[in-house]
Amino acid sequence: EPEVTQTPSHQVTQMGQEVILRCVPISNHLYFYWYRQILGQKVEFLVSFYNNEISEKSEIFDDQFSVERPDGSNFTLKIRSTKLEDSAMYFCASRKGSSNQPQHFGDGTRLSIL
Amino acid sequence: RKEVEQDPGPFNVPEGATVAFNCTYSNSASQSFFWYRQDCRKEPKLLMSVYSSGNEDGRFTAQLNRASQYISLLIRDSKLSDSATYLCVVNMNRDDKIIFGKGTRLHILP
Repeated sequence: EPEVTQTPSHQVTQMGQEVILRCVPISNHLYFYWYRQILGQKVEFLVSFYNNEISEKSEIFDDQFSVERPDGSNFTLKIRSTKLEDSAMYFCASRKGSSNQPQHFGDGTRLSIL
Repeated sequence: RKEVEQDPGPFNVPEGATVAFNCTYSNSASQSFFWYRQDCRKEPKLLMSVYSSGNEDGRFTAQLNRASQYISLLIRDSKLSDSATYLCVVNMNRDDKIIFGKGTRLHILP
């Protein structure tokens, strides 16, 4: 069964550094998402992406965050200048079509900011 | 009122028993509803979509009550492997914003 893949599985970065998290969504899916989950807390929506542009973003997704689909298969999340509070699990998800269809999640990247 | 609210539990239930969870949502315009399960430090995995007429998948039954703005999940004949956190997910189709509940922890006891 096709799946969403994320790399790396764990990223350790110094505070203030830039980090790029990578995702390969399911190939025939059209909608892409990033979420984060701080340890012990709920899954939080960051951003949705469709037709090569952001369709919705949350208050968390400020100017330090950006997303890109550079080559038709990868979907990346960049954090420009990381903060300690960015430490979390980051999940990528994709959805095939209309919004009554479910999203499928990658197994996440654990980001640790030192 | 929180956008999506769940009883955090934990629910400690003996193997073989039936257990039910509810989830309430605040926005009456919400259109799509799902139950996911999440194991410790893993990604959310789709359990089932929730349809207006209610739907069943094996031991799992989901219901939607639009008038009272809640969805429910019933697990019959619970197994040890059902131990997980169950996440209620609501999608406001208009802006494609997905809201997760905090989840309900379920422990199935042997």
